[in-house]
Amino acid sequence: DADVTQTPRNRITKTGKRIMLECSQTKGHDRMYWYRQDPGLGLRLIYYSFDVKDINKGEISDGYSVSRQAQAKFSLSLESAIPNQTALYFCATSDPGAGGGTDTQYFGPGTRLTVL
Amino acid sequence: QKEVEQNSGPLSVPEGAIASLNCTYSDRGSQSFFWYRQYSGKSPELIMSIYSNGDKEDGRFTAQLNKASQYVSLLIRDSQPSDSATYLCAVRGGNTGKLIFGQGTTLQVKP
Repeated sequence: DADVTQTPRNRITKTGKRIMLECSQTKGHDRMYWYRQDPGLGLRLIYYSFDVKDINKGEISDGYSVSRQAQAKFSLSLESAIPNQTALYFCATSDPGAGGGTDTQYFGPGTRLTVL
Repeated sequence: QKEVEQNSGPLSVPEGAIASLNCTYSDRGSQSFFWYRQYSGKSPELIMSIYSNGDKEDGRFTAQLNKASQYVSLLIRDSQPSDSATYLCAVRGGNTGKLIFGQGTTLQVKP
């Protein structure tokens, strides 16, 4: 089984709809992240959480919100989806205490979101 | 100026050649540097990480770091068609600890 899972894998929705993307991990990592990827722009950080009680905005948080329900679960919500939120969304996890403190990030399979 | 810059490519090399991928960064306080490989439509996967000046080798891959020049590179020896992918450079900022990604370089290895 995959260590980091995302649901749904693909989603088509309409402008103005609320949508939630979910991320679960079995790696036991405290740190979790949400990124979006657009062609030619690389990965951009939306929100990140270093533990259940810690939520931080990334570089492009406007129009998004998150919830850290447990160590293993981190959800991303679009309260009112708009077409320019069409992108590939990735969840990632990391553990700063593992591997000599490298805090390597491991990515889920991604969710392809299309907003019409 | 972008915080992490890569040439978007595509970089095309023949099979068996050495592919050289480059990345520059702006934050002099950066401590950790990563190369991820991403196949089309798939998630990024870590290839190499490097923290100290110099070279780090892992199989066909060598990462090179020069903090004075704010430059990190990835060399792929004996390139194979299966190496064709987008390579993302990521830098951990000195103050925030967050990863900043470059836009990626597309590598094409031609048989």
